[in-house]
Amino acid sequence: DAGVTQSPTHLIKTRGQHVTLRCSPISGHKSVSWYQQVLGQGPQFIFQYYEKEERGRGNFPDRFSARQFPNYSSELNVNALLLGDSALYLCASSSREGAKNIQYFGAGTRLSVL
Amino acid sequence: KQEVTQIPAALSVPEGENLVLNCSFTDSAIYNLQWFRQDPGKGLTSLLLIQSSQREQTSGRLNASLDKSSGRSTLYIAASQPGDSATYLCAAYDTGRRALTFGSGTRLQVQP
Repeated sequence: DAGVTQSPTHLIKTRGQHVTLRCSPISGHKSVSWYQQVLGQGPQFIFQYYEKEERGRGNFPDRFSARQFPNYSSELNVNALLLGDSALYLCASSSREGAKNIQYFGAGTRLSVL
Repeated sequence: KQEVTQIPAALSVPEGENLVLNCSFTDSAIYNLQWFRQDPGKGLTSLLLIQSSQREQTSGRLNASLDKSSGRSTLYIAASQPGDSATYLCAAYDTGRRALTFGSGTRLQVQP
């Protein structure tokens, strides 16, 4: 069975640009969560979606937005990129809402903002 | 606001040693506590999940305990191997935020 897949794996952008990151959950999983991991730190929660509805939002500015599609895949969008947005962006899926049971993580998208 | 702290930040040990990694959290109203492993530049792999009603979970050479009243969890690794070298992260899930709150991790190096 395919695990959580994220695309692209690496991305280089310049300040002020927009970026879209994509995530496909494990088949049958209806919950997708997004995390940002800055080098040397633990992941920080950005969004959680369940059954196509936003169920949780972390302490991130409105430049960050996300959505979940009918097939439960998800996109994370970041507008007006800043140098500080450089990080590993992780997507996780689970069969129940949020992390009530095991969350399975993708390999992440490494975003570099120059 | 939940805060999760992991001690030590880094650890280097010779192969074969038994290890204890520590995790503390400030809000005891958690739904579960999870331990993950992360290899350099990679995503996270779930190791153990302890529900709030449980005291411990075991998987192979790994054993994790949870003491909600004191806000602590420990991950015990028996007979460490070079392949165990990685960063170990603990995370607390609370249903209020519907989010995992992670510690900064313990970077483990097991010397052959």
